[in-house]
Amino acid sequence: ILNVEQSPQSLHVQEGDSTNFTCSFPSSNFYALHWYRWETAKSPEALFVMTLNGDEKKKGRISATLNTKEGYSYLYIKGSQPEDSATYLCASAPGTYKYIFGTGTRLKVLA
Amino acid sequence: DAGVIQSPRHEVTEMGQEVTLRCKPISGHDYLFWYRQTMMRGLELLIYFNNNVPIDDSGMPEDRFSAKMPNASFSTLKIQPSEPRDSAVYFCASTVDRGVTEAFFGQGTRLTVV
Repeated sequence: ILNVEQSPQSLHVQEGDSTNFTCSFPSSNFYALHWYRWETAKSPEALFVMTLNGDEKKKGRISATLNTKEGYSYLYIKGSQPEDSATYLCASAPGTYKYIFGTGTRLKVLA
Repeated sequence: DAGVIQSPRHEVTEMGQEVTLRCKPISGHDYLFWYRQTMMRGLELLIYFNNNVPIDDSGMPEDRFSAKMPNASFSTLKIQPSEPRDSAVYFCASTVDRGVTEAFFGQGTRLTVV
């Protein structure tokens, strides 16, 4: 994998459902993996910075896991709420300071 | 700290005009990044600076784009001459260290070239 790829591109879930999405990134020269939450008309805000294989991070109902050997990270949202509606971006910094962003997963939580 | 500050928030200009976007990073952050966001390509890195020095400008689309960072608290991204395909939202971000700390983004400048 040469680029950072995210799937799915967009997702609609019902309020209360749990959901997850994937970020795939180059596993060679791995340095760090970032997750950002980006609401419409605002700027991206960091959720997690992950550096270690097997790392798991949690913030409220949102959690993330990291597999650096195979080059993927999962973001989980438990009990989705309408305010979780946003675009979720991941970014990898493969051995340099260049953060390469995926194109994001656009989440819409329906009330 | 007020965060990363970008100006202007919106810019509408005519094709062929020079456009200058401005960014004030968070004090103490050594890295500054300029990104462009478009529907087609998502968030693209244009250039980044470390301690005011441009490190990688391989993302700058063409010679019409230039960026400077004359001091630790100010950076500009200039497009001369501007073209309609330059229309996008331009974000500036800063971070204190490579990779292991999150980047803080400004509110972005929405550029429209008509």
